[in-house]
Amino acid sequence: QVQLQESGPGLVKPSETLSLTCSVSGGSISNYYWSWIRQPPGKGLEWIGYIYYSGSTNYNSSLKSRVTISLDKSKNQFSLKLTSVTAADTAVYYCARPRLAGSHAYDTWGQGTMVTVSS
Amino acid sequence: ETVLTQSPGTLSLSPGERATLSCRASQSVDGNYLTWYQHKPGQAPRLLIYVASSRATGIPDRFSGSGSGTDFTLTISRLEPEDFAVYYCQQYGNSPLTFGQGTRLEIK
Repeated sequence: QVQLQESGPGLVKPSETLSLTCSVSGGSISNYYWSWIRQPPGKGLEWIGYIYYSGSTNYNSSLKSRVTISLDKSKNQFSLKLTSVTAADTAVYYCARPRLAGSHAYDTWGQGTMVTVSS
Repeated sequence: ETVLTQSPGTLSLSPGERATLSCRASQSVDGNYLTWYQHKPGQAPRLLIYVASSRATGIPDRFSGSGSGTDFTLTISRLEPEDFAVYYCQQYGNSPLTFGQGTRLEIK
């Protein structure tokens, strides 16, 4: 059974870059869309973007200028970089995988990692 | 962008009652690629329904989804204590993928 685990700093200073990694275990990173989704405190879920196994990406237009998602097939990991962060980027960040290749119905999630943007 | 509007914002019901949650899209969702998630504090979201009406693996049959085009519904036939949570709809038929703002289902 595939499991996902987010890792990265829990505290990032304003204007700096948030970097998170999602490690995939129990299965290959191939043939799926791999997404990042976040939830700011007291708010709803927000899709950040995804990367396909081929390396193609799609990002939320509201974050597009600041987001990069990349894939490391050799390590079975994918990563999120969000530049020029502000307090509005404080959130629980989840990585997720869909139930089927080609789908975006996410049935496998990491446990989430809280990232606080503060000086 | 396809905006998903969920109603009501909060639903107060008792265990054993029937819950009906609505998700309305600003434009038709291609392929009815509409999903529902249950989200509890401190946990990852849980996939309940995909493609509008198909139950995900392991989801009890008291959860059902219906609808097409722009109007979708999640029904919980008889509420169990563990069903009180926040529910989100999400569409991926149209790019970009979007979530609704959520419906909080609380114990009355």
